[in-house]
Amino acid sequence: AAGVIQSPRHLIKEKRETATLKCYPIPRHDTVYWYQQGPGQDPQFLISFYEKMQSDKGSIPDRFSAQQFSDYHSELNMSSLELGDSALYFCASSLGGSEQFFGPGTRLTVL
Amino acid sequence: GENVEQHPSTLSVQEGDSAVIKCTYSDSASNYFPWYKQELGKRPQLIIDIRSNVGEKKDQRIAVTLNKTAKHFSLHITETQPEDSAVYFCAAPREYGNKLVFGAGTILRVKS
Repeated sequence: AAGVIQSPRHLIKEKRETATLKCYPIPRHDTVYWYQQGPGQDPQFLISFYEKMQSDKGSIPDRFSAQQFSDYHSELNMSSLELGDSALYFCASSLGGSEQFFGPGTRLTVL
Repeated sequence: GENVEQHPSTLSVQEGDSAVIKCTYSDSASNYFPWYKQELGKRPQLIIDIRSNVGEKKDQRIAVTLNKTAKHFSLHITETQPEDSAVYFCAAPREYGNKLVFGAGTILRVKS
């Protein structure tokens, strides 16, 4: 069965640079969620989209923005990167508010 | 907002023994309680979930119980195996389909 796809899987950036993470949800899933997970921590909700509209917002810095496109893929844009942004970034998708399935994650390292 | 507490933070059991992880939540309106298993560097994987209209759900060696009055739910793993070793997270979204609010996680080690 098709799963959530994320790209890139690994990303290394310098401080103050920008990064774009991509997420392709499971086909026909209508909701996308973004989570950030620091080392040894639980995933923290950033933002979600339902049918291409932002549906909820969590602890997402103003330096970050996200959107969902007409083909339902989503992108998380991160600017002015800081060392503390180094983390695993997961995208999850669901259908009609059902179970959330996570992608493999993007490991972002900021040097 | 929802607050989820999870205990214990680490749990070591002998292979074949049972493991129990407990979570409490704060929002009495929460109605959906999933459990995720996460191996090092990998994605959280949904292993079982329960809706608020049932008190218990079982899937082979894994079961979840829910006490809505006390606002707590538990994960039970029987006949543990080394491959059960991982971090387990409970979660309690405000509503079914909403953002997941995770517990802090439990590191389960199954010793052979």
